[in-house]
Amino acid sequence: DAKTTQPNSMESNEEEPVHLPCNHSTISGTDYIHWYRQLPSQGPEYVIHGLTSNVNNRMASLAIAEDRKSSTLILHRATLRDAAVYYCILRPYTGNQFYFGTGTSLTVIP
Amino acid sequence: GAVVSQHPSWVICKSGTSVKIECRSLDFQATTMFWYRQFPKQSLMLMATSNEGSKATYEQGVEKDKFLINHASLTLSTLTVTSAHPEDSSFYICSASREPVSPLHFGNGTRLTVT
Repeated sequence: DAKTTQPNSMESNEEEPVHLPCNHSTISGTDYIHWYRQLPSQGPEYVIHGLTSNVNNRMASLAIAEDRKSSTLILHRATLRDAAVYYCILRPYTGNQFYFGTGTSLTVIP
Repeated sequence: GAVVSQHPSWVICKSGTSVKIECRSLDFQATTMFWYRQFPKQSLMLMATSNEGSKATYEQGVEKDKFLINHASLTLSTLTVTSAHPEDSSFYICSASREPVSPLHFGNGTRLTVT
């Protein structure tokens, strides 16, 4: 049921930017793009979400392709605390059917 | 920021007993709550979607008589695992949101071990 595709794992050096890609080629016009991250033995944490325009917050930036079939989560300066599994999820306008895919496990190298 | 509290954080029970897990939205009214389970090294699997005042919608393959969900108020949802068996041992996570398109806020999960 997950409608997104992400690389299984990525590595980044500490203090460098990280670009986490997500493909969602079957996205509908009313699906919001959400990103969450999860540390071991914890519940997921909200990172950012958007519909069409690029979004920025204190944690990250979200770049959405013009055709909305892909998006990229950008962490501007990776820290060791950013090591986690990152999930890209489509949420319908109705709000239900919030399915997780396999996510990307990010390793940050000191 | 919005907080979702989940209790207990861990529980050990004997096979055949029932366990109740509570999920509370502490500073907002949640129109919808979700329940997930997660096995080691795997992603979260949606079990059911719970809307206040109505019956939960269960995902295919999830036994509604075994996993009882009650969303009695806009701030509380409960998941009861009835007649638990060792294969029910897992990490159970709830989440809640104010509105359909607003971000989800997750509890810290409940580690259930059935012996």
